Amino acid sequence: NAGVMQNPRHLVRRRGQEARLRCSPMKGHSHVYWYRQLPEEGLKFMVYLQKENIIDESGMPKERFSAEFPKEGPSILRIQQVVRGDSAAYFCASSPERTGDTEAFFGQGTRLTVV
Amino acid sequence: AQKITQTQPGMFVQEKEAVTLDCTYDTSDPSYGLFWYKQPSSGEMIFLIYQGSYDQQNATEGRYSLNFQKARKSANLVISASQLGDSAMYFCALFDFQKLVFGTGTRLLVSP
Repeated sequence: NAGVMQNPRHLVRRRGQEARLRCSPMKGHSHVYWYRQLPEEGLKFMVYLQKENIIDESGMPKERFSAEFPKEGPSILRIQQVVRGDSAAYFCASSPERTGDTEAFFGQGTRLTVV
Repeated sequence: AQKITQTQPGMFVQEKEAVTLDCTYDTSDPSYGLFWYKQPSSGEMIFLIYQGSYDQQNATEGRYSLNFQKARKSANLVISASQLGDSAMYFCALFDFQKLVFGTGTRLLVSP
């Protein structure tokens, strides 16, 4: 049973380009969470999705950021017109149906560098 | 108000000694979970231990144990017999209302 898979592991984008980060949850997991970690800081919640639904996006910046979790395929975090301040590690986590009473499994993260 | 508070930005311990990393939390959800994760310098998030709000006993996983004091809303991580490989950032996290919220972390340095 493969863990949470994130790709790419490292992504370099020039200012103004788009960044697409992918997350495949663990088999059987239908809940996906995205977190952002700025250098030397903790993880900040961005968005919580279930299949085809955004449940909580209270941590997402209002502009340029979007997330989806389609019926088929991975969850995508999309950042349009990236700026230097978007440089961070982006982690995806997944959990099974029962939430709150089991761990959330994290992917290895995608390290985005905006140059 | 902070949901999760880790007041120790850094901790030092000698190899083979025990160390306690503090974590306090705040939630109105009667059903919640508390987690500890380790983040080594390589960057990945490694799950260590979990405590459910209704669990009667403190969680233990090998050298890790969680000192859960519900009335005080604290969930301290105890690492016994520290090893050099324990040097890392440690994050406490609260799972309530369908999402994990992380503390700011404690950097643990284990010296020989």
